[in-house]
Order: sequence, then structure tokens, then C-alpha cells
Amino acid sequence: DVKVTQSSRYLVKRTGEKVFLECVQDMDHENMFWYRQDPGLGLRLIYFSYDVKMKEKGDIPEGYSVSREKKERFSLILESASTNQTSMYLCASGKGAHRNQPQHFGDGTRLSIL
Amino acid sequence: GQQLNQSPQSMFIQEGEDVSMNCTSSSIFNTWLWYKQDPGEGPVLLIALYKAGELTSNGRLTAQFGITRKDSFLNISASIPSDVGIYFCAGHPPGQFYFGTGTSLTVIP
Repeated sequence: DVKVTQSSRYLVKRTGEKVFLECVQDMDHENMFWYRQDPGLGLRLIYFSYDVKMKEKGDIPEGYSVSREKKERFSLILESASTNQTSMYLCASGKGAHRNQPQHFGDGTRLSIL
Repeated sequence: GQQLNQSPQSMFIQEGEDVSMNCTSSSIFNTWLWYKQDPGEGPVLLIALYKAGELTSNGRLTAQFGITRKDSFLNISASIPSDVGIYFCAGHPPGQFYFGTGTSLTVIP
């Protein structure tokens, strides 16, 4: 079974802090994704990566950055956290060159910015 | 970004009833996926569909890739309490995946 592990289930931070959310997958997947999930808005793509050191903006990249230094790890960074970034953050990974392969999700990090 | 219309938004049903939900898009998709999300957990893949007209089952769940390639359906037969959760569709145009806003299912014992 694919295992996608997010470092924290719950996180509370203060406005203006730099926040790191970590995600690790154990299936040697090429593709990794960060989403945020908000009531009534569904899942919205923040950033994704199809290879090490490669990143592409999703639909809502503002206020975020990412890092993919190793294939198995994809980090989401909130450069200066704001209250409107309070949300559930979901990491996902997917296989390969055929980018329509299903994504497998972690259990999420519920982030609160005070 | 791409919009997927998923309906209904919520359902309250009696245990043992069948359930139907669907997703539609404004453009053609190459792939449709259905996920279930339990409270406090990440979405878990239920069924993946890759071809127009494809009908695939996973236990009591059956999903279909619409022949127009702009819609997909998920049916759950003989619902049980553990079917409770939020069901998401996802489509791949190509490009990136897009997700529906979810159908919240409550099963009343």
C-alpha cells in the first residue's frame, strides 16, 4: 500500500511566522501535490512537482512556496502565515509519466493561524 | 480553474438504501476518480475510470465514466453505517486533476 505521511496532524502558529509542512511518500512516486481543503470550496491545488527540484504553481500559490530536494519529500512553506491560511492541508503523490494516475493522499494537517 | 459540479451536496439515507451521486464538467476528461474521506482523515481512492463508458465496481460501489466524457456517476448499494463520509469526484482533463466539492453522506441506522 502507498503510504503518504504528513509530519503533523494538528498545528497552531501565529500570524507572521514561517511555517513548514512536511510530506513524505514511500512508493517512489514521481509526482507530488499540495492542496488545501476548505468547507464549500473542495480541494484546491497550491503547488505540485513532477520531479526532484521541479515545481509548478497550482491554482492558489500566493503566500506559499515549496521545496522538493529529494524524490520522496515535498515541503510546503508559508512564508509569513496569515489567518486566511487557516485550513486543512493535504499532500498527495502519484505515479509517473502518465500524469493521470490516481493520487494517494496523506491524512492531512489541520493548521490554525492565530 | 476548472469547475466540477458534484451533486447532491449532502444526503441523509436509511441503512440499506441505495445511493447515487454524480459529477459533471464543462470540458472533456480523460480520467475520472472517486474518493471517500472519513472525518479527520485524508481522501482514500475508491475507483479509477480511464475510458468513456467504462463501468467499474468495488464491492458495493459502482462507478461509470459517462460516454460524453463530461460526467461520472457513483452508486452505493445497500448502504451501511460505515459508508458515512464525504465522497469526492476528481477529473483529469489532461493537465492537472480537479476535484468536486464533495457529497456528504449520512446513513441513519
